Amino acid sequence: DADVTQTPRNRITKTGKRIMLECSQTKGHDRMYWYRQDPGLGLRLIYYSFDVKDINKGEISDGYSVSRQAQAKFSLSLESAIPNQTALYFCATSDYLSSYDEQFFGPGTRLTVL
Amino acid sequence: KNQVEQSPQSLIILEGKNCTLQCNYTVSPFSNLRWYKQDTGRGPVSLTIMTFSENTKSNGRYTATLDADTKQSSLHITASQLSDSASYICVVTPDSWGKLQFGAGTQVVVTP
Repeated sequence: DADVTQTPRNRITKTGKRIMLECSQTKGHDRMYWYRQDPGLGLRLIYYSFDVKDINKGEISDGYSVSRQAQAKFSLSLESAIPNQTALYFCATSDYLSSYDEQFFGPGTRLTVL
Repeated sequence: KNQVEQSPQSLIILEGKNCTLQCNYTVSPFSNLRWYKQDTGRGPVSLTIMTFSENTKSNGRYTATLDADTKQSSLHITASQLSDSASYICVVTPDSWGKLQFGAGTQVVVTP
């Protein structure tokens, strides 16, 4: 969805390096999420934020941190990357006023940790 | 243990043919069940959303069904097209706002 953008789209890094993945949205949604996707597994929630002052851990938050700089921006950081963090990372947004709180996903960032 | 199981893991179908994908879940109670389509290299895009009281929902050539008693859902693709080649993901929301439970997806390949 072009309304949700992620940068970079691809990144290769080395073990121990600090990495930041960025997400921006123009949908005006208050809720934002970070997921990772691994082959053969469903998407798993890393962190979520209901507004700028609200940050919550998901099911796999260890090794990750986030920052909600503004309503439209939500960044995911890997303080010291390790190889098993190699995955496809997705940002998503939703509007709590919508009937189903439908989530809209960005195009993803493919991260490889060597 | 994943609370959302999808089958088959993958399938190949000829262009123009129909196919049905299955989703079994153990999430309970649940608010709604969604089917997403994920093209290679793209983020998932919503196809249908059904609440527990709905039995069927259509979106063009895609028809989803839900049996809340047996905790099963299916996605039927009619007259498949090459552009239907993608991964189809079943997603269950546990409650009014929930941390979505994702299935691993079914990879569909449509061949000419």
